Amino acid sequence: GAVVSQHPSWVICKSGTSVKIECRSLDFQATTMFWYRQFPKKSLMLMATSNEGSKATYEQGVEKDKFLINHASLTLSTLTVTSAHPEDSSFYICSATGLGNQPQHFGDGTRLSIL
Amino acid sequence: AQSVAQPEDQVNVAEGNPLTVKCTYSVSGNPYLFWYVQYPNRGLQFLLKYITGDNLVKGSYGFEAEFNKSQTSFHLKKPSALVSDSALYFCAVEGGATNKLIFGTGTLLAVQP
Repeated sequence: GAVVSQHPSWVICKSGTSVKIECRSLDFQATTMFWYRQFPKKSLMLMATSNEGSKATYEQGVEKDKFLINHASLTLSTLTVTSAHPEDSSFYICSATGLGNQPQHFGDGTRLSIL
Repeated sequence: AQSVAQPEDQVNVAEGNPLTVKCTYSVSGNPYLFWYVQYPNRGLQFLLKYITGDNLVKGSYGFEAEFNKSQTSFHLKKPSALVSDSALYFCAVEGGATNKLIFGTGTLLAVQP
C-alpha cells in the first residue's frame, strides 16, 4: 500500500520551456503533498507544501512564480517549472501523506535536464 | 529549531557483518524520527519511524533503530548486512507543528561482498 506515482521520470528540454511534473497517490487520499529538490550527492531541500484545495506554502528562497504548484484533488498534485533554465536542472521528488501519523511516501522522482 | 545530523558521509561494511548508520537529533518537545533509504535515481523508501513507545523500532528489510533520549540519537542498525543494502540512507525529524520533514545530509552505505 501507500504508493505514490511520479511522472515523468526523466525530462530533457530546451531553455525557456515550461515543464509539468505530476504526483499521484494511487491507493490513499493525500491530504498533504510535498515537493523537494535534490542536488547530486546532497540531501533533499523542501520547496513547498501543498494541501488539497488551498494554495501551496513555499519555503524561503523558493520562487512561487517560477515553481507553480497545484493540488486540485486528494490524489494529484502538479509542479510546473515555468520558463526553465539550465540552473533549474535537478532531481525533483514529491511525497504525500494522509491523515493521522502516516509517514510521507515518496514518488520515484523526476530528473529534469534543461539544455 | 529541529535538526538532525548524520556524522558519516559513508559507511563501509562487509556482507554478513552488522551495520550501524548514525543519526543524532535536536528538537524541542517529543521527536518524531524517521529513516528512509534511497536507491540511485529513485525516490525515498520509508524504513521505520519512532513516535512514542518502545525505544527499539523494527522496520522494513530487517532494519531497526534505537531511540536514545539521553544521547539524542536514533541510529539505524541491521544485524547482518547484504550487498543489496548498499544505498543512501536519510534520517529525518518531523518539524514542529507542521508535518514537514527535516532531513539529515545522508549516509552512503557500501556493503562489500
